[in-house]
Amino acid sequence: QQQVKQSPQSLIVQKGGISIINCAYENTAFDYFPWYQQFPGKGPALLIAIRPDVSEKKEGRFTISFNKSAKQFSLHIMDSQPGDSATYFCAASITLTGGGNKLTFGTGTQLKVEL
Amino acid sequence: DTGVSQDPRHKITKRGQNVTFRCDPISEHNRLYWYRQTLGQGPEFLTYFQNEAQLEKSRLLSDRFSAERPKGSFSTLEIQRTEQGDSAMYLCASSFLGKYSPLHFGNGTRLTVT
Repeated sequence: QQQVKQSPQSLIVQKGGISIINCAYENTAFDYFPWYQQFPGKGPALLIAIRPDVSEKKEGRFTISFNKSAKQFSLHIMDSQPGDSATYFCAASITLTGGGNKLTFGTGTQLKVEL
Repeated sequence: DTGVSQDPRHKITKRGQNVTFRCDPISEHNRLYWYRQTLGQGPEFLTYFQNEAQLEKSRLLSDRFSAERPKGSFSTLEIQRTEQGDSAMYLCASSFLGKYSPLHFGNGTRLTVT
């Protein structure tokens, strides 16, 4: 059962353009929504995260938009750069026994930013 | 480098052999997680420790898998009688205590079972 659906699977954007990646979830128990960036041969690195009581969060060129009623959230990368070329994963978190976070990841979006 | 460290980076083994991976978390982090990532997919949760206590295990973690975190520091993940389906990247992550503490991932151990 895929609890977090991510689209598109791949994305090509021109340098300076806006990259948009979308995710949808089903489980209303999710209470924290991070985005991770992964380069080949590396582990995922946290980019930005949002809690469901906020509709938008911006950090530098990265913005998360969150729609709680639609159970959807998206990542916008403004002024996309070739160095942004990577795989992006959305995730949704449930609180575990003891307070830890169990992340359920989407299937990833391969972003390529062309010159 | 004070990030999460995993060893080895790559492991090739024959089906039926046992393998063990090590994870050294960020030193101040109390929580430690293991995830598995197959090609073209997002990581999947396997198990989680708070200090030395293993508090949660996924149904993905069959009885061939065992994880330990003695003394609440480094952790090991052992797979017994490996199968070809075990081939994947095994990722370790750590975090502070706190409800929304972000997970910091290591660069993983890539396991290939031949």
